[in-house]
Amino acid sequence: SQTIHQWPATLVQPVGSPLSLECTVEGTSNPNLYWYRQAAGRGLQLLFYSVGIGQISSEVPQNLSASRPQDRQFILSSKKLLLSDSGFYLCAWSFPGGRSNQPQHFGDGTRLSIL
Amino acid sequence: QKEVEQDPGPLSVPEGAIVSLNCTYSNSAFQYFMWYRQYSRKGPELLMYTYSSGNKEDGRFTAQVDKSSKYISLFIRDSQPSDSATYLCAMKGKNDYKLSFGAGTTVTVRA
Repeated sequence: SQTIHQWPATLVQPVGSPLSLECTVEGTSNPNLYWYRQAAGRGLQLLFYSVGIGQISSEVPQNLSASRPQDRQFILSSKKLLLSDSGFYLCAWSFPGGRSNQPQHFGDGTRLSIL
Repeated sequence: QKEVEQDPGPLSVPEGAIVSLNCTYSNSAFQYFMWYRQYSRKGPELLMYTYSSGNKEDGRFTAQVDKSSKYISLFIRDSQPSDSATYLCAMKGKNDYKLSFGAGTTVTVRA
């Protein structure tokens, strides 16, 4: 079976500091990977997705970037955090290729607070 | 107009009641429909996944899709306190990577 891990679970960072959130998936090869942000009382907003190593698509122009250095590793980064970057960040995976219409499965998220 | 509309509630019901949740959508290209359950400070957990109009049942959960009306529902029978959570509807078009989510409905089941 497949599992997804995200860390850290909680993070408090000062404005202007860098950010690195990591997500890994086990139990499947070449998954589609996703980063979402969830604001209080609002639905999830897709930030980035990746269909393979080094392939990143951005959905929302912003202060964040994503990278996929290995098949099952997805990283969300920022060089200088803004107050508006606070939120709940969720990583998700889905099967690739012909099974891409299968649902996405989420990790337990990172709660990011910017001070 | 939002692409997906979901009544945010909150919804409070007694244990054993039927919980009824629904979402409407405007994009006729949506073909795949999901319901997720999200406990506080956790990620969303997939409950139901459907891709055709009609009903799909899984234990105490029934998902209903009406593509002609652009309306989906989730019913929870014999609700339990452990069903207390936020329920999110989500949907996508064929070969889309992006899921479009409702804002979520918070449900409390009172013992």
